[in-house]
Amino acid sequence: NAGVTQTPKFQVLKTGQSMTLQCAQDMNHNSMYWYRQDPGMGLRLIYYSASEGTTDKGEVPNGYNVSRLNKREFSLRLESAAPSQTSVYFCASMELGHGYTFGSGTRLTVV
Amino acid sequence: AQKITQTQPGMFVQEKEAVTLDCTYDTSDQSYGLFWYKQPSSGEMIFLIYQGSYDEQNATEGRYSLNFQKARKSANLVISASQLGDSAMYFCAMREGLNTGGFKTIFGAGTRLFVKA
Repeated sequence: NAGVTQTPKFQVLKTGQSMTLQCAQDMNHNSMYWYRQDPGMGLRLIYYSASEGTTDKGEVPNGYNVSRLNKREFSLRLESAAPSQTSVYFCASMELGHGYTFGSGTRLTVV
Repeated sequence: AQKITQTQPGMFVQEKEAVTLDCTYDTSDQSYGLFWYKQPSSGEMIFLIYQGSYDEQNATEGRYSLNFQKARKSANLVISASQLGDSAMYFCAMREGLNTGGFKTIFGAGTRLFVKA
């Protein structure tokens, strides 16, 4: 099915470990996004990519890096995980004038 | 400053009745978009409805309609004929600067809707 594929679905990290969250979309959308969702706070934008080859910071970029590998793929990297990064992470893509299509989310726990 | 405000943390509605979820926003842009998303207990995020700031008519999508009052900066979601499957978290969101290439969308804190049988 067309959409946004996010991996992994669950992950437990120790403080200081690194990991990369993968995201791919097959809808030929130009823009892609990474959000985190914490209880009571809605979704907050970490980074986004308006088009292939560009990336920009969102509201909460500290502790994260991103790579827009090609038009389909947009990865999020945690270089040194901290307990404050325990959250649910969503990748999304968007066609102008429409809403986001979200991935199924990654539940990350940092211990 | 908070730009998207959802003042109802939780709402109850009887099955088959209509319900309105409130959303107010703050922006100085003339060109912006307003969105509603649904998040069931399974956790996925589902796009429901979109309203552009220049759209003169309120957006509708099946049982969902967006009551857009531009002067009051409100974008309430109306769900008609509620169903048990409508029980979920609902998020209002706004994307500013549509005519200047704005890409950031910000979300409210959400309203949890409970539909009673």
